[in-house]
Amino acid sequence: QVQLVQSGAEMKKPGASVKVSCKASGYTFTNFGISWVRQAPGQGLEWMGWISSYNANTNYAQKFQGRVTMTTDTSTTTAYMELRSLRSDDTAVYFCARDLRGAPNWFDPWGQGTPVTVSS
Amino acid sequence: QSALTQPASVSGSPGQSITISCIGTSSDVGRYNLVSWYQQHPGKAPKLMIYEVSKRPSGVSNRFSGSKSGNTASLTISGLQAEDEADYYCCSYALSSTSHVVFGGGTKLTVL
Repeated sequence: QVQLVQSGAEMKKPGASVKVSCKASGYTFTNFGISWVRQAPGQGLEWMGWISSYNANTNYAQKFQGRVTMTTDTSTTTAYMELRSLRSDDTAVYFCARDLRGAPNWFDPWGQGTPVTVSS
Repeated sequence: QSALTQPASVSGSPGQSITISCIGTSSDVGRYNLVSWYQQHPGKAPKLMIYEVSKRPSGVSNRFSGSKSGNTASLTISGLQAEDEADYYCCSYALSSTSHVVFGGGTKLTVL
């Protein structure tokens, strides 16, 4: 079955970076893209950006431009999201989700989520 | 403040129908038939319930339906069941320099 399995919880200090992985299985990786969505404690969903697993094209929300990098490794069918210069308001659960190959559209399925805590 | 506007909460009794609205603009909901809806139970990852306004993924109950009129999308759940109690989020592709995907703030559905 189609599945996305994310890396484990992270605790980081302000100013540090975090890199979250998302291992895909059960489908042809390069036929789809991956979007990243985060959810702060008690808050709603926030789209961060998308990467095509086909050609590595990216589309980032302006809010994260310059601070986020999304990549994929087709040999291991794994997507990565790196967020730099972490602040306390980056504390959230980060989700990856399978998306369309050509552009961000709809997300199915989702990974289990990776809690990231930013605290001094 | 979220780009799409949803009611904070709705409620209904088992067997009833409820509708959750999602108000956008001519740059997102009104421009594209790319509205999706997600169900999220506490502590769980979201689940796709509706995509491209009204399409249901395989495995999603036909009690869930979606529609759109102008800048407003709607999710209707008929024959409410206890397990439908969850948070629901709408989402749309957007013609925007800030984000090409926008979410609503979420609606808490309570089954009385």
